[in-house]
Amino acid sequence: DGGITQSPKYLFRKEGQNVTLSCEQNLNHDAMYWYRQDPGQGLRLIYYSQIVNDFQKGDIAEGYSVSREKKESFPLTVTSAQKNPTAFYLCASSPRTGANSPLHFGNGTRLTVT
Amino acid sequence: QKEVEQNSGPLSVPEGAIASLNCTYSDRVSQSFFWYRQYSGKSPELIMSIYSNGDKEDGRFTAQLNKASQYVSLLIRDSQPSDSATYLCAVNGRGGSQGNLIFGKGTKLSVKP
Repeated sequence: DGGITQSPKYLFRKEGQNVTLSCEQNLNHDAMYWYRQDPGQGLRLIYYSQIVNDFQKGDIAEGYSVSREKKESFPLTVTSAQKNPTAFYLCASSPRTGANSPLHFGNGTRLTVT
Repeated sequence: QKEVEQNSGPLSVPEGAIASLNCTYSDRVSQSFFWYRQYSGKSPELIMSIYSNGDKEDGRFTAQLNKASQYVSLLIRDSQPSDSATYLCAVNGRGGSQGNLIFGKGTKLSVKP
């Protein structure tokens, strides 16, 4: 079954710790994205990648880092510099980054930092 | 600042009625428009895409686009309790090859049995 797998589903961390969220896709999609969703808010773009070994900052990249060493994988690290890390994190992919290319989402990781 | 605006709701309709969800956007060069459904605690799921003016129908769903008015809507006919969810409008924000989307905050729909 093709899809996007995010793990873990729930993640708890203490303030000051870095944490890495996993995202793997077997759809052979070129483009991958990370979004953050807060209660009552729309999705906000953190980072996106159009091709292996290349990625671009989105609207709220501060305090986050990513890598794209393989086409299938786009992990997101939430660093201790991120002021409000508790949120629902969504990974998405699309066949390409053209204007007509919709996003397909993983099931999300809910991160709680205390 | 490019924006996508939706009425946050909640929009409450009786079972079997037509639910009408609306979305306006600010970027005139936007080319692609999407509706996603998000159940509580779950990830968004694509239900409709529309790229040209007019109506596009898929089962009980109809998307309507008016680029001159910068307005896109989603109609759900014969609404069912299982349609109760938050509906996100997404608009291509760059008009070019980068293609990442700008999302509205969503409209919460409640269908009462």
